[in-house]
Amino acid sequence: EAGVTQFPSHSVIEKGQTVTLRCDPISGHDNLYWYRRVMGKEIKFLLHFVKESKQDESGMPNNRFLAERTGGTYSTLKVQPAELEDSGVYFCASSQAGGVNTEAFFGQGTRLTVV
Amino acid sequence: GNSVTQMEGPVTLSEEAFLTINCTYTATGYPSLFWYVQYPGEGLQLLLKATKADDKGSNKGFEATYRKETTSFHLEKGSVQVSDSAVYFCAFRMDSSYKLIFGSGTRLLVRP
Repeated sequence: EAGVTQFPSHSVIEKGQTVTLRCDPISGHDNLYWYRRVMGKEIKFLLHFVKESKQDESGMPNNRFLAERTGGTYSTLKVQPAELEDSGVYFCASSQAGGVNTEAFFGQGTRLTVV
Repeated sequence: GNSVTQMEGPVTLSEEAFLTINCTYTATGYPSLFWYVQYPGEGLQLLLKATKADDKGSNKGFEATYRKETTSFHLEKGSVQVSDSAVYFCAFRMDSSYKLIFGSGTRLLVRP
C-alpha cells in the first residue's frame, strides 16, 4: 500500500512567486493534515481536513496560504505570493476516520526555499 | 500555551552508547505523548507512544515513560546503532484534538 506522497520534494522559488504543494494521502483516509517546520524549529500544525471540509485551520499563518482538498482525495497548499519566511519543510499526514487515536502517517515533506 | 521542549542537538554518540533525549511538555490536561523519528531522506514515522501516566512506550529498543508528575517523556535506548542516526521529535496531542504539538527535534548522530 502506498504511503503519503508529496510533490515536489524540493522547490526553490523567488520571493513574490507562487508555489503549489501537493499531497496524496493514503487511500481511504478521511483525515488530512498539513504541518510546517521552519528553520529547524518545531513542527507546527497548519490545518486539518476531514474529507473535503476544513475542520481546523487555526495554524494557517496568513491569507497568503490557501489549502484545498477538492473531492476529498489529494490536497494542495498554495503560497501566493511567497515570502522569505515561508522557507521550510512542509509535511502532510493522513489518518483514517475513527477518532483522535487513529495514527497519523506522514509524508516525506516538501522542502521549500524562497530566495 | 501548549508546548514541547526537547534537548537541543546534535547529539553525537559512539555505537553501543546509552542514549537519553530529554522531553518535557506544557499542556492543559492530560495528553497522549509520542516520539516520532525522521531518518535521512524519509518522512516522519511514529516511533512509540504512551497514552496515560506511568505508561511505557517501546519500539526498536527505544523506551519512554509518561511521567505526569514531571511532565516528561524522555527517550532512552541502551545501546545505539549507526542506523539510529536520525532526527527525533517529541510530541503530544490532547484527547479531544487531532492536532499534534511537536518539539523542535533533536538530531542524533551515531558514529561507528
